[in-house]
Amino acid sequence: DADVTQTPRNRITKTGKRIMLECSQTKGHDRMYWYRQDPGLGLRLIYYSFDVKDINKGEISDGYSVSRQAQAKFSLSLESAIPNQTALYFCATRAVGTGYNEQFFGPGTRLTVL
Amino acid sequence: RKEVEQDPGPFNVPEGATVAFNCTYSNSASQSFFWYRQDCRKEPKLLMSVYSSGNEDGRFTAQLNRASQYISLLIRDSKLSDSATYLCVVNNPTGGFKTIFGAGTRLFVKA
Repeated sequence: DADVTQTPRNRITKTGKRIMLECSQTKGHDRMYWYRQDPGLGLRLIYYSFDVKDINKGEISDGYSVSRQAQAKFSLSLESAIPNQTALYFCATRAVGTGYNEQFFGPGTRLTVL
Repeated sequence: RKEVEQDPGPFNVPEGATVAFNCTYSNSASQSFFWYRQDCRKEPKLLMSVYSSGNEDGRFTAQLNRASQYISLLIRDSKLSDSATYLCVVNNPTGGFKTIFGAGTRLFVKA
């Protein structure tokens, strides 16, 4: 089984709809992240969480919210989806430790907002 | 100026070729460095960390030049399976290590 899972894997929705993307991990890592990837722009950080009670905004948090329901679960919500939120979304986890700890990514969610 | 910059490519090389990618970063306080590999429509995966002394893993060699603020990745004897996008990644010591991803360099290895 994959260590980091995301649901759904693909989603097509309409402008104005509320969407939730879910992420679960079995790696036991405290740190979890949500990124979006757009062509030519690389991965950009939306939100990150260092533990259940610690949620932080990333560089592009406007229009998004998150919930850390448990150590293993971190959800991303689009309250009112808009077309420029069409992107590939990745969840990632990382262990606490030195800066050389790698990030482990989920398989991604491809979101299309019409 | 982007915090991490890479040549987007694509690099088109024949099997067996040697190819090198460079990456520059703007924050002189950056502390840790990586190359990740991303296959088309897949998640990024760690290829190798980059240490100040340089490091090698089989056909892959990574080097760090702190004075000039760049990182390199050398792939020797390219294989078809090396075709992917290579992401340069830098951790900055703010907010519990802020991770910055480059936009990636695409590599196509052809028979």
